[in-house]
Amino acid sequence: EAGVAQSPRYKIIEKRQSVAFWCNPISGHATLYWYQQILGQGPKLLIQFQNNGVVDDSQLPKDRFSAERLKGVDSTLKIQPAKLEDSAVYLCASSLSGGRNTEAFFGQGTRLTVV
Amino acid sequence: AQSVAQPEDQVNVAEGNPLTVKCTYSVSGNPYLFWYVQYPNRGLQFLLKYITGDNLVKGSYGFEAEFNKSQTSFHLKKPSALVSDSALYFCAVRGFMDSNYQLIWGAGTKLIIKP
Repeated sequence: EAGVAQSPRYKIIEKRQSVAFWCNPISGHATLYWYQQILGQGPKLLIQFQNNGVVDDSQLPKDRFSAERLKGVDSTLKIQPAKLEDSAVYLCASSLSGGRNTEAFFGQGTRLTVV
Repeated sequence: AQSVAQPEDQVNVAEGNPLTVKCTYSVSGNPYLFWYVQYPNRGLQFLLKYITGDNLVKGSYGFEAEFNKSQTSFHLKKPSALVSDSALYFCAVRGFMDSNYQLIWGAGTKLIIKP
């Protein structure tokens, strides 16, 4: 079974530029998550989709971050404009459902450096 | 407040010795607990979960975890450590927040296995 695919693996941009990340979840997984992981910390949930609807985006900085999941499969996360503090690893994960007993499976992440 | 604590930033173990990585939690209702491992420059990999039933849960790579309801703990264990077990380990619990069951993460414990 193919895992969660993310691209690119690495990205370096200047502050105030824009950037987009792409995620393809495991086939059949209804729930998709985007996390931000700063070095040395646990993941922080940015947004959670159930199919193509947003379940939770309470920690997404909506003035600069946006995400969509068209057709309930692939998803993109965009940052515009980027700030220095956005430097982090952005992890995409998926699970069969958002139920309490379901584990999430993670992609390898995109390491973003804002200079 | 719902939370997960990993009291040790780093655990050092000699190869061949047993290892324990500690995790305690605070959550409303029955806990649904997870352990993940993260190798350098990789995403998080699911190790095991506790939903209900036997307090000793077996997972991938020879790891197991013991659920203790009275101590609200879910410690990760392995009888004989390998150098290749060196990685960052995260404990997580499903907690109901913002009308959704979110994964609440610990800060992570760096496990170093010395030859």
